[in-house]
Amino acid sequence: DVKVTQSSRYLVKRTGEKVFLECVQDMDHENMFWYRQDPGLGLRLIYFSYDVKMKEKGDIPEGYSVSREKKERFSLILESASTNQTSMYLCASTTGGRIYNEQFFGPGTRLTVL
Amino acid sequence: DQQVKQNSPSLSVQEGRISILNCDYTNSMFDYFLWYKKYPAEGPTFLISISSIKDKNEDGRFTVFLNKSAKHLSLHIVPSQPGDSAVYFCAASAAGSARQLTFGSGTQLTVLP
Repeated sequence: DVKVTQSSRYLVKRTGEKVFLECVQDMDHENMFWYRQDPGLGLRLIYFSYDVKMKEKGDIPEGYSVSREKKERFSLILESASTNQTSMYLCASTTGGRIYNEQFFGPGTRLTVL
Repeated sequence: DQQVKQNSPSLSVQEGRISILNCDYTNSMFDYFLWYKKYPAEGPTFLISISSIKDKNEDGRFTVFLNKSAKHLSLHIVPSQPGDSAVYFCAASAAGSARQLTFGSGTQLTVLP
């Protein structure tokens, strides 16, 4: 059974704090993604990675950075959290090298920045 | 500029009837389309997909139709069940690095018993 796990389901942080969101997949997937979900906006891609130590910006990378030191782990970093980063954060993974494939999602982290 | 649009934020349907969820796209490079279902406080789960070489794909109660000339796809659920109540996201991808998905804004489906 495929599994994508995220380190926290709920997180409350203060403005200016550095925030780490961790994602781990056990499917040996090459590609990993970070999205945020906001009401009326759907899922928006923040960053993705297609290999270890490789990363590419998505549609809304400002205020975020990522790290992928191991194939199974993809971290999202908020260098200095702001209230407009309050959101649901979703991690996903998928195989590389196939033409068509679906992404598998983790359960999400609800982040509140006060 | 939204490349994938779901113009109906919500839809209510009676149990047993058909639910039709719609999605429009603007990018002609999209060649693979997916529907995801999301319950509150859970991650999206994959439902069904279709490639641009087909115009219909069916899986049990779920059928996706693709009209490439109109850049429109729809998800039909027949018969609808109360457990189908969730937010449905349409997504599209084009050939490229990692095949990232572009999502619509979602439609909240409520199936009334």
